[in-house]
Amino acid sequence: EIVLTQSPATLSLSPGETATLSCRASQSVSSDLGWYQQRPGQAPRLLVWGASNRATGIPARFSGSGSGTDFTLTISSLEPEDFAVYYCQHRYDWPFTFGPGTKVDVK
Amino acid sequence: EVLLVQSGGGLVQPGGSLRLSCAASGFSFAGHAMSWVRQAPGKGLEWLSSISGSGSTTYYADSVKGRFTISRDNTRNTLSVQMDSLRAGDTAIYYCAKYIQGGSGYLASWGQGTLVTVSS
Repeated sequence: EIVLTQSPATLSLSPGETATLSCRASQSVSSDLGWYQQRPGQAPRLLVWGASNRATGIPARFSGSGSGTDFTLTISSLEPEDFAVYYCQHRYDWPFTFGPGTKVDVK
Repeated sequence: EVLLVQSGGGLVQPGGSLRLSCAASGFSFAGHAMSWVRQAPGKGLEWLSSISGSGSTTYYADSVKGRFTISRDNTRNTLSVQMDSLRAGDTAIYYCAKYIQGGSGYLASWGQGTLVTVSS
């Protein structure tokens, strides 16, 4: 089973700042990685798929990069609604797994 | 508009069974693989099971293999999961979700979630 590790566990930032979230896989997942946002009390929302492709309706301030084992989600100029938990997820082979999440909270 | 409306859930005793359903609309149901994902209280996401569009291929996480059975009825646009031999550790919010396209492995649309509590 491929294990995903996310860092940091918590990121404290102010609105308008840039958030840089990391996801590392225990083995190469090529570009088979997605990112999700989950706000309190809501279902997750797909932000990025295939490491760098924004999902439908996702603002341009969200961008994904990386391949192999190291991936990054960048959120430029944080908006109030961006303070949430972010999960990475691979689809390289079964079982698909999620990372433990990074919480972005208000500094 | 894609809509996934979940039903089922509730309180069940350890060792008991429960069936969750997910009614889909707004897309070609048979053309998309579907999945179940759960989230224990205050914890992260766990991918439990997936089923192909035709229903011929299924996958399970080790944590539920042999206890949970995923199925779909493409004539009724409904996804289900039969959960048997439930344990306290199965207590979670359960989500059904639709792949972004075909069998892509990314979950683009999610149900509202339903809480399953396993307790005596």
